[in-house]
Amino acid sequence: GESVGLHLPTLSVQEGDNSIINCAYSNSASDYFIWYKQESGKGPQFIIDIRSNMDKRQGQRVTVLLNKTVKHLSLQIAATQPGDSAVYFCAESREGYGGSQGNLIFGKGTKLSVKP
Amino acid sequence: KAGVTQTPRYLIKTRGQQVTLSCSPISGHRSVSWYQQTPGQGLQFLFEYFSETQRNKGNFPGRFSGRQFSNSRSEMNVSTLELGDSALYLCASRLDRGRPYEQYFGPGTRLTVT
Repeated sequence: GESVGLHLPTLSVQEGDNSIINCAYSNSASDYFIWYKQESGKGPQFIIDIRSNMDKRQGQRVTVLLNKTVKHLSLQIAATQPGDSAVYFCAESREGYGGSQGNLIFGKGTKLSVKP
Repeated sequence: KAGVTQTPRYLIKTRGQQVTLSCSPISGHRSVSWYQQTPGQGLQFLFEYFSETQRNKGNFPGRFSGRQFSNSRSEMNVSTLELGDSALYLCASRLDRGRPYEQYFGPGTRLTVT
């Protein structure tokens, strides 16, 4: 699709299995960390976020873990479905001029392929 | 509620020309951000507008500019196009309260510069 990079890391899982997508971030001063999902031909879609003072946050079938010691973020998807196939991006939210948090710093992305 | 819309969806321009892209945010959203997405650089922040004012700017040359209108619709302009400007340009809108980082993206405008 339009949004997929040529050299994205790829994760291939069987339908029903759990998926873990990892991300390393750069700035320990970031306030929030967010996961986005981008399907072919579409813009990124917000999945879940975690504040920098938290270690874990759960949503529907998804869990985000934050390890500030090693600047690592992960997204766990339970019972992965074919509809989960997409490119997943982590992003950091930082304060900008005037207190804005409109500036998201995105990671390179991971392509998740779910085999039926 | 309608999502973020971007026009046009596809655009082909020649090097040296200029281009204007349009974004209509979700109703009630007053913040609009623009991003460039390429295979090599990924998603990169261009700028953010709020209440017709540029509030934040990424590391792009002055050829990239934008504006926001009183109805929160936004446009971005790229002048003197270069081949490297070929990319998917994404617009995102958000409420400016509550969870400010929860941005809603449009489908993007695919710009090809030849």
